[in-house]
Amino acid sequence: DTGVSQNPRHKITKRGQNVTFRCDPISEHNRLYWYRQTLGQGPEFLTYFQNEAQLEKSRLLSDRFSAERPKGSFSTLEIQRTEQGDSAMYLCASSLAPHNEQFFGPGTRLTVL
Amino acid sequence: EDQVTQSPEALRLQEGESSSLNCSYTVSGLRGLFWYRQDPGKGPEFLFTLYSAGEEKEKERLKATLTKKESFLHITAPKPEDSATYLCAVPSGGSNYKLTFGKGTLLTVNP
Repeated sequence: DTGVSQNPRHKITKRGQNVTFRCDPISEHNRLYWYRQTLGQGPEFLTYFQNEAQLEKSRLLSDRFSAERPKGSFSTLEIQRTEQGDSAMYLCASSLAPHNEQFFGPGTRLTVL
Repeated sequence: EDQVTQSPEALRLQEGESSSLNCSYTVSGLRGLFWYRQDPGKGPEFLFTLYSAGEEKEKERLKATLTKKESFLHITAPKPEDSATYLCAVPSGGSNYKLTFGKGTLLTVNP
């Protein structure tokens, strides 16, 4: 399968714990995006990488959130001191510049107890 | 502020009963409009990109059209496997990559 992959698919954690998610984009894609989706809503933009550079962060991305994309390949999204409001589906997408079509992975569903 | 509004929120059809979903948008300088399909518990699946008013794209039973203010996703003779949430999105905030999504239309096709 050559699509976007995300791990883990599900994560249950207790409030206050740190969690880290991984995204592997489509191999030749140089742009990578993170979105968050809650029930009944469309995905909301969190952050964007072009190669290894993080070019934009949404106001939704508080100081507890950090994303990296070392070497411009896979990306990780870490949430520190999780809160119940962080419970959501975290989606990763990738695209190949200059094309704007974004291809999404299956998501990581986070539940904070 | 850039906005995307989809209607109806939910639509129930009988198999073979054609209909349309609406996506209206407010954005300064349209840089494309994207349609996605999302099945429960999965990530959105890319369907179409439209860039200019009057443009149309087709895929199987789906046809997407675009005007200066809205887009329609026409579903012809739907089948139960077309049941899903359909999302539309536009690049917003002056960028080409930061997508703003609508809340989606939940389509249910009964056999």
